[in-house]
Amino acid sequence: QVRLQESGPGLVKPSETLSLTCTVSGGSVSSSSYQWGWIRQPPGGGLEWIGNIYYSGNTYYNPSLKSRVTISVDTSKNQFSLKLSAVTGADTAVYFCARQIDGYIPVPFDYWGQGTLVSVSS
Amino acid sequence: EIVLTQSPGTLSLSPGERATLSCRASQSVTSSHLAWYQQKPGQAPRLLIYAASRRATGIPDRFSGSGSGTDFTLTISRLEPEDFAVYFCLQYGNSAWTFGQGTKVEIK
Repeated sequence: QVRLQESGPGLVKPSETLSLTCTVSGGSVSSSSYQWGWIRQPPGGGLEWIGNIYYSGNTYYNPSLKSRVTISVDTSKNQFSLKLSAVTGADTAVYFCARQIDGYIPVPFDYWGQGTLVSVSS
Repeated sequence: EIVLTQSPGTLSLSPGERATLSCRASQSVTSSHLAWYQQKPGQAPRLLIYAASRRATGIPDRFSGSGSGTDFTLTISRLEPEDFAVYFCLQYGNSAWTFGQGTKVEIK
């Protein structure tokens, strides 16, 4: 059974860097079969894709966030991480991590973490 | 960036009725890389449909997806009580994925 679990601070100060980690069990982040992604949802709002990372470490990001986002993978811990710099109140959201199955017919975000609320406030 | 516009914003229906949700893209979605998700309050989204029309594992056959190019539809043939939720579409056909703003299906 695949499980993803987000972890990290629930409160970040404006202008600082938000850092979250997603721990994967029941699957390997180093498998060439998968990509791993981050998605966020402001309170009462819709979903926003943040970015994805391949097992190789290659990444692609939402153009509107690209200058502030870094996604990385730690195969030794079977985790992948999100860093979002220079945060403002607009970055307050529930942050989800999720898995995509790669292949001829990719399956996007079939497994999700339960989400973690990150508030930006001084 | 491909903008996805979902309609209607809210759909008020009774159990047993048919629900038809629309997702329109501002430009053609590559290879019909269009997915649908269901989200209930306090929960993560659940994948229903991918590649425009393929049901995800464990999804009941009352859920179906159709469409190509810029126009896509999610149909729930007969609403069950557990189907009242918010539905999002996602395009993943290029390197800048985007979600629609969502359609809420509420009990009439």
